[in-house]
Amino acid sequence: QKEVEQNSGPLSVPEGAIASLNCTYSDRGSQSFFWYRQYSGKSPELIMSIYSNGDKEDGRFTAQLNKASQYVSLLIRDSQPSDSATYLCAVNPPGGKLIFGQGTELSVKP
Amino acid sequence: KAGVTQTPRYLIKTRGQQVTLSCSPISGHRSVSWYQQTPGQGLQFLFEYFSETQRNKGNFPGRFSGRQFSNSRSEMNVSTLELGDSALYLCASSLDGGTYGYTFGSGTRLTVV
Repeated sequence: QKEVEQNSGPLSVPEGAIASLNCTYSDRGSQSFFWYRQYSGKSPELIMSIYSNGDKEDGRFTAQLNKASQYVSLLIRDSQPSDSATYLCAVNPPGGKLIFGQGTELSVKP
Repeated sequence: KAGVTQTPRYLIKTRGQQVTLSCSPISGHRSVSWYQQTPGQGLQFLFEYFSETQRNKGNFPGRFSGRQFSNSRSEMNVSTLELGDSALYLCASSLDGGTYGYTFGSGTRLTVV
């Protein structure tokens, strides 16, 4: 079992729709969870962090964490073509490193 | 506030050669991590340094090594290059090793021919 798993996609949504990205992790001791966005040819950029169970909202982005189910998700409301990118889930297990999922490619069609 | 700086941006090397990549973290950040990114494998963790000590190491052969200097700058070395080492190498810095996330540099694109 991979440490961090994501649906590889690609995920295609129409402009204005909600995009839902999912991630599961294996280490129950993990305490910090992140979503990164990576445009083609660029380096990953941190867009959301979440540390406790529940929802965290930042503008059009909502991160959700369920530690009992070892599940993290990212919702993007009112998706825009500029949101088209690869979204990487990252988990910080005990010991001081970040483990990344394979990423989900999102395409927002005008 | 300057970001994470990686040099060089691009490198072309021949099989069997060695290469050294450099990373300067954000001022005040003491943790530097290195990742290899390829289309097939995604972001693979290489190692993490904190205050000049290697704290974590990924599942890469001993040809991959690194170090961190007292000013937190870090270097990564790959010896006896193989074609499969062609990848984007990303450096990321953080205050404490990932609790609050990493900030990535622009990466070094290494091509081995």
